Amino acid sequence: DIQMTQSPSSLSASVGDRVTITCQATQDISYYVNWYQQKSERAPKLLIYDASNLETGVPSRFSGSGSGTDFTFTISSLQPEDIATYYCQQYDTLPWTFGQGTKVEIK
Amino acid sequence: QVQLVESGGGVVQPGRSLRLSCAASGFTFSSHGMHWVRQAPGKGLEWVAVISYDGTTKYYVHSVNGRFTISRDNSKSTLYLQMNSLTTEDTAVYFCAKDIGSGWPPTTFGHWGQGTLVTVSS
Repeated sequence: DIQMTQSPSSLSASVGDRVTITCQATQDISYYVNWYQQKSERAPKLLIYDASNLETGVPSRFSGSGSGTDFTFTISSLQPEDIATYYCQQYDTLPWTFGQGTKVEIK
Repeated sequence: QVQLVESGGGVVQPGRSLRLSCAASGFTFSSHGMHWVRQAPGKGLEWVAVISYDGTTKYYVHSVNGRFTISRDNSKSTLYLQMNSLTTEDTAVYFCAKDIGSGWPPTTFGHWGQGTLVTVSS
């Protein structure tokens, strides 16, 4: 199975800061990565699909990039409502797998 | 708007069975692949199973293959997960999720239900 190594596992940043999360795959997965936001273990929400495409209705401060084995998720200006855990997910090869998650907190 | 409502969770003893349901509305259920994803208490997300829009193709994570069965009734807009031979490792919140497309394999979880808690304990 393809493993997704996500880092950091948690971070604390100030409102307005730029936040970056990375995900590394154990093999080349082209651009087959999605990113999700989960608040307080409620239903996750799709933010980014195909590595860099913003889901409809998602604020433009969220973005994604990368291809091959290395992927990045960025919040350009952290807002209080962005407190959540973020997950990457690969869909190159079944079974689909998630990264371990990154918990984002406000400093 | 899209709504997915899971039910059927509860407390069950190891080795027993449970069937989860996910009632869908607000979209053409028969046009979308569907998934089950679970989350153990305090842990991350784990994809469990996927079914094609017409129910003919399915795939499972290795840890549940042979014990769990995903199915759907398009006439009732309902997704199911039959879980047999449950172990304590299956304790989790189970989410159903609607794929954004209808192709195979379904790859992207566009909408999620609120989840139903399954606790396997003696």
